[in-house]
Amino acid sequence: DGGITQSPKYLFRKEGQNVTLSCEQNLNHDAMYWYRQDPGQGLRLIYYSQIVNDFQKGDIAEGYSVSREKKESFPLTVTSAQKNPTAFYLCASTPASGGADHTGELFFGEGSRLTVL
Amino acid sequence: GENVEQHPSTLSVQEGDSAVIKCTYSDSASNYFPWYKQELGKRPQLIIDIRSNVGEKKDQRIAVTLNKTAKHFSLHITETQPEDSAVYFCAAIYSNYQLIWGAGTKLIIKP
Repeated sequence: DGGITQSPKYLFRKEGQNVTLSCEQNLNHDAMYWYRQDPGQGLRLIYYSQIVNDFQKGDIAEGYSVSREKKESFPLTVTSAQKNPTAFYLCASTPASGGADHTGELFFGEGSRLTVL
Repeated sequence: GENVEQHPSTLSVQEGDSAVIKCTYSDSASNYFPWYKQELGKRPQLIIDIRSNVGEKKDQRIAVTLNKTAKHFSLHITETQPEDSAVYFCAAIYSNYQLIWGAGTKLIIKP
């Protein structure tokens, strides 16, 4: 059953703690993305990776870190430096990282809801 | 900078009526425009998209129109039903192959 799996679905964190959100895909997609969504807001790009061992900052990368050691996996760490981390986090992937046929169609995971206590 | 503006932020229509959501984009090089639907607490899902070489695309009750000259594109939903209630996002792809998203429109279908 192909798709993108995010875990955990819900996560509570104390202030000052780092937490890591998992994102795994078995779609053989090249590019992967992390978005943050606040209540009633749109999607803001945190980080993206177009190829293994390479990633770029998005619009709101401060306080976050990522790694892309395997094509299937793109974990996101929310560090203690992130001032207001409570949000809904969405991981996504696309089949191709660029080129004339690139559609940009995103396949999303079900999301991880992080709450800071 | 690159941006996508989406209007209205909230749209309330009577069941059975039509709904129209509009977006404008800033980069004339954009060539792909998807629309996503997000139900409460769920992930966004692609409902329709359009490339810059066509002006209109339909899929049953949903259609998207594109005016490249004016840099506008719109989502049209006809014969609205309760299950159409959701937040709808438009987006445009830019020269670095990244999607820029609109802020979303909350569509409310009144019974």
